[in-house]
Amino acid sequence: EVQLVESGGGLVQPGGSLRLSCTASGFTFNNYAMTWVRQAPGKGLEWVSSVSGNGGTTYDADSVKGRFTISRDNSKNMVFLQMNSLRAEDTAIYYCAQVKKWPIPLDYWGQGTLVTVSS
Amino acid sequence: EIVLTQSPGTLSLSPGERATLSCRASQSVSSSYLAWYQQKPGQSPRLLIYGASSRATGIPDRFSVSGSGTDFTLTISRLEPEDFAVYYCQQYGSSAITFGQGTRLEIK
Repeated sequence: EVQLVESGGGLVQPGGSLRLSCTASGFTFNNYAMTWVRQAPGKGLEWVSSVSGNGGTTYDADSVKGRFTISRDNSKNMVFLQMNSLRAEDTAIYYCAQVKKWPIPLDYWGQGTLVTVSS
Repeated sequence: EIVLTQSPGTLSLSPGERATLSCRASQSVSSSYLAWYQQKPGQSPRLLIYGASSRATGIPDRFSVSGSGTDFTLTISRLEPEDFAVYYCQQYGSSAITFGQGTRLEIK
């Protein structure tokens, strides 16, 4: 059974940093690209970043480019999202998702981790 | 970036009726890079249909898609109580992924 478990969310002040983690199980991790998607409270879905199976290719949304960095550790079956220079508008539930076939669709999703940016 | 506009914003129907949800793109989108998701309150999104018309695992055949280019449609042939949710279309193009703003399907 595929499982994706996000962690690392919490309350952070504007301008601060946070690192999200997603631990995967139930599939051959390095065979699949991974993606982060976020959802602001009461709003729709927004793609954040994607990384290829070997970690060599990444794509970022313009809204986070230069502030967020996606990476992965295939030895630990984990994908990360390093978030710097956080803004109030980054407040959202952050989901990690397995990419069924590069670059979409997103087949399996985690339960999400909430990031709140507020002073 | 390609903007996806979904309509209507909210659709009120009764179980047993047919639902037609629209997704319009600001530029042409390859059907291979078009997907639909369902999200229920308090849950993560769930993949429904991807590519030209491939249903994800466990998705019943009352869900279907049609369209090409800039206009795509998700059809639910006969609504079941569990189908009332928010539906999102998604596309990939020019190294970016975008979602539509969603259509809320509510019980009339």
